[in-house]
Amino acid sequence: DAGVIQSPRHEVTEMGQEVTLRCKPISGHDYLFWYRQTMMRGLELLIYFNNNVPIDDSGMPEDRFSAKMPNASFSTLKIQPSEPRDSAVYFCASSLGPGAGEQFFGPGTRLTVL
Amino acid sequence: KNEVEQSPQNLTAQEGEFITINCSYSVGISALHWLQQHPGGGIVSLFMLSSGKKKHGRLIATINIQEKHSSLHITASHPRDSAVYICAVNTDKLIFGTGTRLQVFP
Repeated sequence: DAGVIQSPRHEVTEMGQEVTLRCKPISGHDYLFWYRQTMMRGLELLIYFNNNVPIDDSGMPEDRFSAKMPNASFSTLKIQPSEPRDSAVYFCASSLGPGAGEQFFGPGTRLTVL
Repeated sequence: KNEVEQSPQNLTAQEGEFITINCSYSVGISALHWLQQHPGGGIVSLFMLSSGKKKHGRLIATINIQEKHSSLHITASHPRDSAVYICAVNTDKLIFGTGTRLQVFP
């Protein structure tokens, strides 16, 4: 398996634009997680899915952020409209389970909002 | 107070030294993870443990559930071990520590 795949790897956009980040989890993994990493706050969980259903979105900062998982092999994290404070590295990870599963991280998407 | 505390925040060592990074947590957990993040940014899971001790090569991870404490040890450290080491605890989701930045000099 190729591991968790994220695209794009880098995104530079202007404030107010819509940004869509994509993730393909490892085949067979039932859980998918979106994380954000900043210098100030470190790694933070934004949302996670189990069997394509959002389970906990309490980490999503505000209504400008939304995440979907239309099928077991694809998820998106959308920011609309983007703001400079959204600049961060966004990681996607997948696992066989949250309580007992090792998580496998994608390479991350580095987002810069000007 | 953070639910997961790591110490030290920064650590420098000479090649060959024995290194210990500590993690304390205040919540009930099902497992604890040690992650490694290299300067390029990628995150790799080193260990997942819920009791006792695990060893992989020069890396050893221990956990004491009663004391809510874990340690990551690196024996015979090498410059390629330079990275940020992150402790994370598994409740129903991962809660991360702030990381320990390790630099090993030749």
